[in-house]
Amino acid sequence: AQSVAQPEDQVNVAEGNPLTVKCTYSVSGNPYLFWYVQYPNRGLQFLLKYITGDNLVKGSYGFEAEFNKSQTSFHLKKPSALVSDSALYFCAVRDVGDYKLSFGAGTTVTVRA
Amino acid sequence: NAGVTQTPKFQVLKTGQSMTLQCAQDMNHNSMYWYRQDPGMGLRLIYYSASEGTTDKGEVPNGYNVSRLNKREFSLRLESAAPSQTSVYFCASRPSGGRLETQYFGPGTRLLVL
Repeated sequence: AQSVAQPEDQVNVAEGNPLTVKCTYSVSGNPYLFWYVQYPNRGLQFLLKYITGDNLVKGSYGFEAEFNKSQTSFHLKKPSALVSDSALYFCAVRDVGDYKLSFGAGTTVTVRA
Repeated sequence: NAGVTQTPKFQVLKTGQSMTLQCAQDMNHNSMYWYRQDPGMGLRLIYYSASEGTTDKGEVPNGYNVSRLNKREFSLRLESAAPSQTSVYFCASRPSGGRLETQYFGPGTRLLVL
């Protein structure tokens, strides 16, 4: 079985401050990990993924995430948040041996000017 | 290259009515998926198709059926709609695994069942 937890429903930061969105996962095998962003009334847009290799993954719009196997975490980070980063963020995991992607409940990020 | 397209964008049904949500992708992907999104619950997998000619149940398949018509198209059917099926429905597709691994999502269909 595989699952994802996003412990924070909401994250609020000021523009220019660092942004972190937390994600922990559980899989029986090796994980493929993803972050997606959803703007209001839109579909999900892919931000970044960890498949293998370097633990620090860089993605779109200045976001990055670090894969930590010992802590089973894949937190999303941005050094300096923008108001336009305000959106709903989803972490997702797929066990290498499975076709299905499991999503967290989502974290709403609000960046205030 | 349109990516993943879904029709309709919005739909209102009465309890007991039936309808089919259409999804198509032009990226030559093998795998396709149907999800529903409800507030505070993330996306939950309804059905998926690992390849043309195969379909499998996901987490919440009850009340739904699917058809993988060909490699491009994957439809979701509600035979007798219920208010609990009010949701936003997303279709997604995925290429073969390895470093190409990413699911691409359509814009969604908003369904209201009265």
